[in-house]
Amino acid sequence: NAGVMQNPRHLVRRRGQEARLRCSPMKGHSHVYWYRQLPEEGLKFMVYLQKENIIDESGMPKERFSAEFPKEGPSILRIQQVVRGDSAAYFCASSPGQGAETQYFGPGTRLLVL
Amino acid sequence: AQSVAQPEDQVNVAEGNPLTVKCTYSVSGNPYLFWYVQYPNRGLQFLLKYITGDNLVKGSYGFEAEFNKSQTSFHLKKPSALVSDSALYFCVTLMDSNYQLIWGAGTKLIIKP
Repeated sequence: NAGVMQNPRHLVRRRGQEARLRCSPMKGHSHVYWYRQLPEEGLKFMVYLQKENIIDESGMPKERFSAEFPKEGPSILRIQQVVRGDSAAYFCASSPGQGAETQYFGPGTRLLVL
Repeated sequence: AQSVAQPEDQVNVAEGNPLTVKCTYSVSGNPYLFWYVQYPNRGLQFLLKYITGDNLVKGSYGFEAEFNKSQTSFHLKKPSALVSDSALYFCVTLMDSNYQLIWGAGTKLIIKP
């Protein structure tokens, strides 16, 4: 059973470009979470999705950031018009349910904005 | 609001010695507590969790954690450290929403040969 897959692992963008980060959850998991990690810090919650639904996007900036988890295919975190402050590691996690269910993490995408 | 605190930025331990990584929590209701480990340039790996039941929780790679309600602590322990245990360790709790993980700042564990 493959774990959570994220791609790309590393992404370099110039200011103003778009960044698309992909996440494929573990097989059988229908709950996806995105977190952001700045250097030397813990993770910060961004958004929680179930298939075709955004459940909670309270941790995601209102502008330039969006997320989706379509019926088919991976979850996508999209950052438009990137700025240097968007440089961070973005982690995706999945779980079979919520509550005390363990969230399993992907390897992350390290975004560098030049 | 739920929170966890990791009072040590870094812990240094000689190989073969016991290790402890400290965590204290502040939660309302039943605490759900986790430990995750992050190796350099890799993803986060789940080590163990406390939901209810025995105060001593056993996890992956020989790690265990002790839930102490009176001291509101959930310290991570291992009887004999390995150099390969060197990594960043996060104590984590669950928000009231039951899906947002709240992360400590992390403790860098360095095991010296």
